[in-house]
Amino acid sequence: EVQVVESGGGLVQPGGSLRLSCAASGFTFSSYWMHWVRQAPGKGLVWVSRIDNDGTSTSYADSVRGRFTISRDNAKNTLYLQMNSLRVEDTAVYYCVRDGSVARLDYWGQGNLVTVSS
Amino acid sequence: DVQMTQSPSSLSASVGDRVTITCRASQDISYHLAWFQQKPGKAPKSLIYSASSLQSGVPPKFSGSGSGTDFTLTINSLQPEDFATYYCQQYTSYPLTFGGGTKVEIK
Repeated sequence: EVQVVESGGGLVQPGGSLRLSCAASGFTFSSYWMHWVRQAPGKGLVWVSRIDNDGTSTSYADSVRGRFTISRDNAKNTLYLQMNSLRVEDTAVYYCVRDGSVARLDYWGQGNLVTVSS
Repeated sequence: DVQMTQSPSSLSASVGDRVTITCRASQDISYHLAWFQQKPGKAPKSLIYSASSLQSGVPPKFSGSGSGTDFTLTINSLQPEDFATYYCQQYTSYPLTFGGGTKVEIK
């Protein structure tokens, strides 16, 4: 069974940093691109970032470029999102999502809440 | 960026009804469109990809159609478990973008 499980969220002050992790199982992690998608409280879905299967290519939404870094460790079957210079507007549930093929988002984690507040 | 516009933003329907949700892209996205279902407090669930292909395990009461800029999601014989918010998403180019969502509520 395909599973992706996020961890690492919590409360952080504006300007602070946080690293999200996503543990994958039930599939060959190193063969799949992966994404982060977020959802602010009561709002819609917003794509954040993606990484290719071997970690050599990444892309970001304009709103996070230069502040967030996506990475992966295929030996540990784990995806990461390093979030720096956090802003109040980064408050959201962050989902780790598998890319089934050509940016088709097929399996989603349960989500992890990040709250940026003083 | 490709803008995705869903309509309606919400609708009320009864058990057993047939429901149609539309999604319009701001430019031609071919068939690179997916639909998701999200229930309160839960992660989105993939329903349809490539505009009309059913994700494994999704019942055929869900169907999608369209190509280019105009797409529809149809739900036949609405059941209590189908009351949720539905999102469309384009994957023809980055940034990936989602529609604003359609909340399907019980009448």
